[in-house]
Amino acid sequence: AQRVTQPEKLLSVFKGAPVELKCNYSYSGSPELFWYVQYSRQRLQLLLRHISRESIKGFTADLNKGETSFHLKKPFAQEEDSAMYYCALTYTGTASKLTFGTGTRLQVTL
Amino acid sequence: DSGVTQTPKHLITATGQRVTLRCSPRSGDLSVYWYQQSLDQGLQFLIQYYNGEERAKGNILERFSAQQFPDLHSELNLSSLELGDSALYFCASSVEPGLVVGELFFGEGSRLTVL
Repeated sequence: AQRVTQPEKLLSVFKGAPVELKCNYSYSGSPELFWYVQYSRQRLQLLLRHISRESIKGFTADLNKGETSFHLKKPFAQEEDSAMYYCALTYTGTASKLTFGTGTRLQVTL
Repeated sequence: DSGVTQTPKHLITATGQRVTLRCSPRSGDLSVYWYQQSLDQGLQFLIQYYNGEERAKGNILERFSAQQFPDLHSELNLSSLELGDSALYFCASSVEPGLVVGELFFGEGSRLTVL
């Protein structure tokens, strides 16, 4: 069964500091990985997906199959990055559900 | 607002009772997903419907059931409620038929409190 682990419940960084939100997964096949974000008083929304290989709001994430990781990174944190971040996994097949991690709250302080 | 809408936003009930949560997907989306988020837990997948038919099932209890109607709205029925059922229940929708998951669009959630 697939599983997503986000080891940190809370990550607190200073504005301008680098950010790395950790995500590890367990799945024997070829997964598709996503990062979802929930800003205060907003809905959970897609931030980025590994297959797109894009940078959104300065965030990037690289799928490392050897380490089964999909860490989310940003070189310089901004106050508006403060939010709850969820890593999620799925795979192409008969089941289409997203499996979410428990989330990491990112707190960017001045 | 043409996004995913969920009702009610908040619901307080007693153990043993039954409640129904309602979800209207985004216009044009055929897939509806239900997730449960308990305290300190990630979003747990419950069930998915596509165009009226059950497509995938997760860790959904037998006391829970769901359906998707011809107008594509969905209802999640929770019966014989227990204290542990207190949670935030999210509905999400997507365009894809369920074989390849892309972006899910989430509602604001229904917070259920069982006393």
